[in-house]
Amino acid sequence: KAGVTQTPRYLIKTRGQQVTLSCSPISGHRSVSWYQQTPGQGLQFLFEYFSETQRNKGNFPGRFSGRQFSNSRSEMNVSTLELGDSALYLCASSLEWGGSNEQFFGPGTRLTVL
Amino acid sequence: ELKVEQNPLFLSMQEGKNYTIYCNYSTTSDRLYWYRQDPGKSLESLFVLLSNGAVKQEGRLMASLDTKARLSTLHITAAVHDLSATYFCAVDRNQFYFGTGTSLTVIP
Repeated sequence: KAGVTQTPRYLIKTRGQQVTLSCSPISGHRSVSWYQQTPGQGLQFLFEYFSETQRNKGNFPGRFSGRQFSNSRSEMNVSTLELGDSALYLCASSLEWGGSNEQFFGPGTRLTVL
Repeated sequence: ELKVEQNPLFLSMQEGKNYTIYCNYSTTSDRLYWYRQDPGKSLESLFVLLSNGAVKQEGRLMASLDTKARLSTLHITAAVHDLSATYFCAVDRNQFYFGTGTSLTVIP
């Protein structure tokens, strides 16, 4: 069974630009969560989608948004990039939303903002 | 907001030694997960603990959960170099709250 895939793996952008990251969950998994990982703040929850609906949102500004498609694939978008947005963005999938659902992580997208 | 603290943050240990990593959390939850992350890599699931008193073991690693004390431990037995990585605990309370991580270096 293929794991969680994320594209692109690496991205370099400049301040003020916007970026879209993509995540394909494990086949059959319907929930997708996004996390930001930085050396200073650690792993922080961005949002979770299930059945094309955002079920949970972390404490991030509105510049961070996401969506989920009918095939469970998800995208996240960051607009008006800031230097502090440089991070590893991880996507995780699980079977369902809520409950005791183990999350499986993708390889991540390394975003660098110059 | 739920807080998850791990200690130690950094751990350097010799091969063959035993040690325990602690994960404390601030709000009631009976679902806790342990992950491993190698440098530049993603998170690999190690253990899923879903009830008070749960104990799971895999090789040289053993994890336990005490929901009343809001504490989970990851015990390392007879460490080997391959265990060098960063270990995270995560508490599941409608969303995952991750600990700060413990960077483990096993020295030959």
